Amino acid sequence: GAGVSQTPSNKVTEKGKYVELRCDPISGHTALYWYRQSLGQGPEFLIYFQGTGAADDSGLPNDRFFAVRPEGSVSTLKIQRTERGDSAVYLCASSPQLTNTGELFFGEGSRLTVL
Amino acid sequence: QQQVKQSPQSLIVQKGGISIINCAYENTAFDYFPWYQQFPGKGPALLIAIRPDVSEKKEGRFTISFNKSAKQFSLHIMDSQPGDSATYFCAAGSYQLTFGKGTKLSVIP
Repeated sequence: GAGVSQTPSNKVTEKGKYVELRCDPISGHTALYWYRQSLGQGPEFLIYFQGTGAADDSGLPNDRFFAVRPEGSVSTLKIQRTERGDSAVYLCASSPQLTNTGELFFGEGSRLTVL
Repeated sequence: QQQVKQSPQSLIVQKGGISIINCAYENTAFDYFPWYQQFPGKGPALLIAIRPDVSEKKEGRFTISFNKSAKQFSLHIMDSQPGDSATYFCAAGSYQLTFGKGTKLSVIP
């Protein structure tokens, strides 16, 4: 596809369950970002990757959150022992390179609801 | 600590009017200031951006004004159209962006 693809688009889970959210960036983009957007708020930075390595994971809220990008393309955000406060839209973005131009290409997000 | 403050929270403008959204930031290390537009159910999309070495940037109907000493920047949408109705986010940062809380713009015919 031409844009950033995120799956699933919607995920409903129960408190305490494990969740994986997948992001397929634009082909050739080396930088990949995860943001979280709560209702009525702006996106909140979680982590970004340059290639396979996490360049900055300072936005991950706690150790229940983890993200990987093993081959430098697709990334998976993993949330353990989900809590109701984790409910949000998780946005993935990519850019051609790690850059401070701010030009991020966002996917449509994965809406997570924790009951 | 909210590092980017955005106002107003919502804005109603008549078609053809000027929409103005303001943002203020705290971190003087920020060196990139983009505006994103988001429609319901979609991800944010880059609208226009500015660096702190210029005071104004214009692209079509959209203009960013930047005041480095005041640590403020604003988005002006000229000749606002119903299709501009969306949520607008300012952001600031470098490799990672800090977003404002957003402004829901409604342009009425």
